[in-house]
Amino acid sequence: EVQVLESGGGLVQPGGSLRLSCAASGFSSNNFALSWVRQAPGKGLEWVSDISGDGITTHYADSVKGRFTISRDNSKNTVFLQMYSLRAEDAALYYCAKQYGHHFDYWGQGALVTVSS
Amino acid sequence: DIQMTQSPSSVSASIGDRVTITCRASQGISNWLAWYQQKPGKAPKVLIYPASTLQSGVPSRFSGSGSGTDFTLTITSLQPEDFATYYCQQANSFPLTFGGGTKVEIK
Repeated sequence: EVQVLESGGGLVQPGGSLRLSCAASGFSSNNFALSWVRQAPGKGLEWVSDISGDGITTHYADSVKGRFTISRDNSKNTVFLQMYSLRAEDAALYYCAKQYGHHFDYWGQGALVTVSS
Repeated sequence: DIQMTQSPSSVSASIGDRVTITCRASQGISNWLAWYQQKPGKAPKVLIYPASTLQSGVPSRFSGSGSGTDFTLTITSLQPEDFATYYCQQANSFPLTFGGGTKVEIK
């Protein structure tokens, strides 16, 4: 069974940092790109970043470019999202999603990031 | 960046009604479009990709059509479990972008 499981969410002060993890199972994760998609409370979906199966190619939304870094450790079937210089507008539920092509066929249940002083 | 515009933003409908949601891309995306359903407190679930291909296990009352810039999601004979928010997403190029969502509510 394909599963992606996020962890690492929490409360952080504006300007602070946080690292999210996404553990993948049930598929050969090094063959598929994985993305982070976020959803602010009561709002729509916003794609944040993705990383290719081999970890070589990454993409970022303009809203996070230069502040967030995506990486992966295929030996642990895990993808990371390192977030720096967090702002109030980064507060959201962060979903990890497996990509098939450039759409998302499996989603985790999300990790909640709260940015507040 | 490709902007995705969904309409309407919400629709009230009754059980058994036919519901149509439209999604327009700011530039041509061929048929590289996905539709998702999201219920409160749950992760989105893919219904259709690309454009008109129903994903495994999705009821046949859901259908998708369109190519280029204009796309439609149709739900024939709305069922109680279909009340949710629906999103389109272009899968043509980065940055990947979603429509603003359409909330299907009970009339």
